[in-house]
Amino acid sequence: DQQVKQNSPSLSVQEGRISILNCDYTNSMFDYFLWYKKYPAEGPTFLISISSIKDKNEDGRFTVFLNKSAKHLSLHIVPSQPGDSAVYFCAASRYDYKLSFGAGTTVTVRA
Amino acid sequence: DAGVTQSPTHLIKTRGQQVTLRCSPISGHKSVSWYQQVLGQGPQFIFQYYEKEERGRGNFPDRFSARQFPNYSSELNVNALLLGDSALYLCASSSGQMNTEAFFGQGTRLTVV
Repeated sequence: DQQVKQNSPSLSVQEGRISILNCDYTNSMFDYFLWYKKYPAEGPTFLISISSIKDKNEDGRFTVFLNKSAKHLSLHIVPSQPGDSAVYFCAASRYDYKLSFGAGTTVTVRA
Repeated sequence: DAGVTQSPTHLIKTRGQQVTLRCSPISGHKSVSWYQQVLGQGPQFIFQYYEKEERGRGNFPDRFSARQFPNYSSELNVNALLLGDSALYLCASSSGQMNTEAFFGQGTRLTVV
């Protein structure tokens, strides 16, 4: 069963604007969440993570927000740049090793 | 520092054959995990090894096996290949066993014909 869902397969945003990617999960035991970026023909690259004891984590242009009551997290990219065009995966783990991934959101940043 | 390296990068096999994929983790990382990514989906967990012991297994048939060597490198073996095994196989390494960032290799693209 799909415990991590990214319901938007694609997102198009103008350069310089904010990109907001959403992710929902069903397993309330998840306690660690990560975002990865993937270019074609490359493996996923770690972007940012957040523990369930926090509701926000920021790293440069990337901010992840966690709403545990809604079982929802989001990734904000500000400002969006052409190099941000990639597939973004949301992942979650349950105090263990296994990462459960969403299906990904393809982001296209328009000049 | 070298990242996670996987070999080979591409592979074509025939149904029924066996395949071995290899992974070298980041220096100092003791945990290696394997994932299968089918086109249009996110990576699916296959195995995790930590300190040379299997610590977890995903919902994959017994045709899939793996091991970790004393230098923490790892191999994934798939026997009796099926067309449905065609996918990108990703290896990830991390410094700890849990709740740490996993760093991925570029993957091995396996095509079964």
